[in-house]
Amino acid sequence: AQSVSQHNHHVILSEAASLELGCNYSYGGTVNLFWYVQYPGQHLQLLLKYFSGDPLVKGIKGFEAEFIKSKFSFNLRKPSVQWSDTAEYFCAVAGFQKLVFGTGTRLLVSP
Amino acid sequence: DGGITQSPKYLFRKEGQNVTLSCEQNLNHDAMYWYRQDPGQGLRLIYYSQIVNDFQKGDIAEGYSVSREKKESFPLTVTSAQKNPTAFYLCASRAMPGQLEAFFGQGTRLTVV
Repeated sequence: AQSVSQHNHHVILSEAASLELGCNYSYGGTVNLFWYVQYPGQHLQLLLKYFSGDPLVKGIKGFEAEFIKSKFSFNLRKPSVQWSDTAEYFCAVAGFQKLVFGTGTRLLVSP
Repeated sequence: DGGITQSPKYLFRKEGQNVTLSCEQNLNHDAMYWYRQDPGQGLRLIYYSQIVNDFQKGDIAEGYSVSREKKESFPLTVTSAQKNPTAFYLCASRAMPGQLEAFFGQGTRLTVV
């Protein structure tokens, strides 16, 4: 079965701290991986995606993620967070048909 | 503008009534999805559809029904059999074959009293 696990439910950081959010997935076939962000009161929007090729992908707003096939992981990183990064972050895995999301991580960045 | 439209944004219903949430897209996407978002539980897949007149159950389909009579429309009915229907419902679509990201509507917040 296709599934996604996000280990950190709540993360609190100070501005300029580094961020890493964990994501592990389970799927037997070729996967496409995504990170979405939901700012307070806004739509879900795509941060970055991995389909194939370079396992280190860069997204918007300075975010990046690394696909490690052997670990079934797709962790999200940012070297220095800002107060405006306060949001909920969702990892998702797409098989051929289903698109499944993790439980999300709420990030609070204090100024 | 291309996009996904969910209506209404807020919906109130009495317990025991069925209610239908609308989702329309003009992106010419083949696949459409319904999710339920609850605090601490992320987005859980209710139903999805890849083509017209075909749809599959997701992880929490009990108490819900859908139809896909047109490519651009994928309405979700929350039936009286759904034990805890109060939630935020999100509709999404994406082009197929499934290698592209999903686009989301603004969501419908359903409150059953």
